[in-house]
Amino acid sequence: SQELEQSPQSLIVQEGKNLTINCTSSKTLYGLYWYKQKYGEGLIFLMMLQKGGEEKSHEKITAKLDEKKQQSSLHITASQPSHAGIYLCGADSTFMDSNYQLIWGAGTKLIIKP
Amino acid sequence: DAGITQSPRHKVTETGTPVTLRCHQTENHRYMYWYRQDPGHGLRLIHYSYGVKDTDKGEVSDGYSVSRSKTEDFLLTLESATSSQTSVYFCAISDQTAEAFFGQGTRLTVV
Repeated sequence: SQELEQSPQSLIVQEGKNLTINCTSSKTLYGLYWYKQKYGEGLIFLMMLQKGGEEKSHEKITAKLDEKKQQSSLHITASQPSHAGIYLCGADSTFMDSNYQLIWGAGTKLIIKP
Repeated sequence: DAGITQSPRHKVTETGTPVTLRCHQTENHRYMYWYRQDPGHGLRLIHYSYGVKDTDKGEVSDGYSVSRSKTEDFLLTLESATSSQTSVYFCAISDQTAEAFFGQGTRLTVV
C-alpha cells in the first residue's frame, strides 16, 4: 500500500527564519495536497500539486512537486507566528477509480519562536 | 492509531433519499469535523462540532445537517441526496493540541 512520510515530525524555528517540510511517497503521486491545521479551526487548504515539476505559492509559502512525482516540499520564507500549526500532506493514491482513497502523512508540528 | 471509525464505508443511494453517515471516536476529543473530498479539490469543510450539541457550518454546508448528542458520535445527514453530493466523506477529530486524526472515509454515490 502507498504511504506518505513527512519530515521532520516537529520543528521549532526562530521568527523570521526560513524552513522546509518534506512529504515523500512510496509510489507515484496523482495529486498532492498541503493543509494546515490550527486549533479549533479544522483544516485549512493551502495548495494542490498535480504535475511533476509543478510549483505553487501562496503568500510566503511555496510548495513543489518533484519531477518523478514522489516527493513534495513545503517552504516557508521569513516565518511568522501565524505560520505555527500542524502541516499535513495528503495524496490521491489512485486516479479516482473504484479503489480511490486519500492517504495522509502524519503531520509536521511547527512552532515559531518570537 | 486514533480510535475513529466511519460507517458505512461505501454507500450507493438514490436521488431524493435521506442518507446518514456516522463518525464514532473513542478518544474523547472535543472537536469533530465532516469534510468532503472531490477530484481535483482539497478537502472542504461541511460542518464541525466543538462539543455535545454545539455545531457550526463550514464552507459547503448547504444540503447537509449534523447532530452530536454524545461526545463520541457525530452524524452527517444528507436531507435529500443529489448527484452533486457524490463524493468521499471524511470525518476528523482533534483535541487541545490541534492534531487532527482522520477516519478512513466514506465513499457515497448518488444515482
